[in-house]
Amino acid sequence: DAGVIQSPRHEVTEMGQEVTLRCKPISGHNSLFWYRQTMMRGLELLIYFNNNVPIDDSGMPEDRFSAKMPNASFSTLKIQPSEPRDSAVYFCASSYIGGGTEAFFGQGTRLTVV
Amino acid sequence: GENVEQHPSTLSVQEGDSAVIKCTYSDSASNYFPWYKQELGKGPQLIIDIRSNVGEKKDQRIAVTLNKTAKHFSLHITETQPEDSAVYFCAASTGGSQGNLIFGKGTKLSVKP
Repeated sequence: DAGVIQSPRHEVTEMGQEVTLRCKPISGHNSLFWYRQTMMRGLELLIYFNNNVPIDDSGMPEDRFSAKMPNASFSTLKIQPSEPRDSAVYFCASSYIGGGTEAFFGQGTRLTVV
Repeated sequence: GENVEQHPSTLSVQEGDSAVIKCTYSDSASNYFPWYKQELGKGPQLIIDIRSNVGEKKDQRIAVTLNKTAKHFSLHITETQPEDSAVYFCAASTGGSQGNLIFGKGTKLSVKP
């Protein structure tokens, strides 16, 4: 397996534009997590899904952020409209609940909003 | 909610020395404690984890200890090597998901040859 795949790796966008980050979890995993990493706040859990259903989105900072998981092999995190303070590295991770497996992280998407 | 504190924020050791990183957590319901290593430009990678029914776990040069009463856990790296240089994160989780993690702020470990 290629691991958790995120795209794009880097994204530069102008303030006010819509940004969509994509994630393909490891095949067979039933849980997916979106994290944000900044120098000030470290690694923060934004939202997680179990069997494609959002379980906890209490970490989503504002209504400008939304996440979907239409099927077991794909998830998106959308920011609309984007703001400079959204600049961060966004990580997707997946694991298998019930199997005792670790959470595997993708390589991340570095987002810069100018 | 859960809060994880991690110390120190930076640690510099000589090659061959030991390194110790300590974390405390606040939620007594937390039952899973992983440690992740993050290299520059990469995502965090699990190096070792421990569950609340175990006090200590070792994997070659890496060991983790857990004190549930005091709510703290530690990472011990022996015989450090330059390739151990990275940022290390501790985390805690309640419930059954290994990915629903609350992370510490990280420790930047530098191993000098």
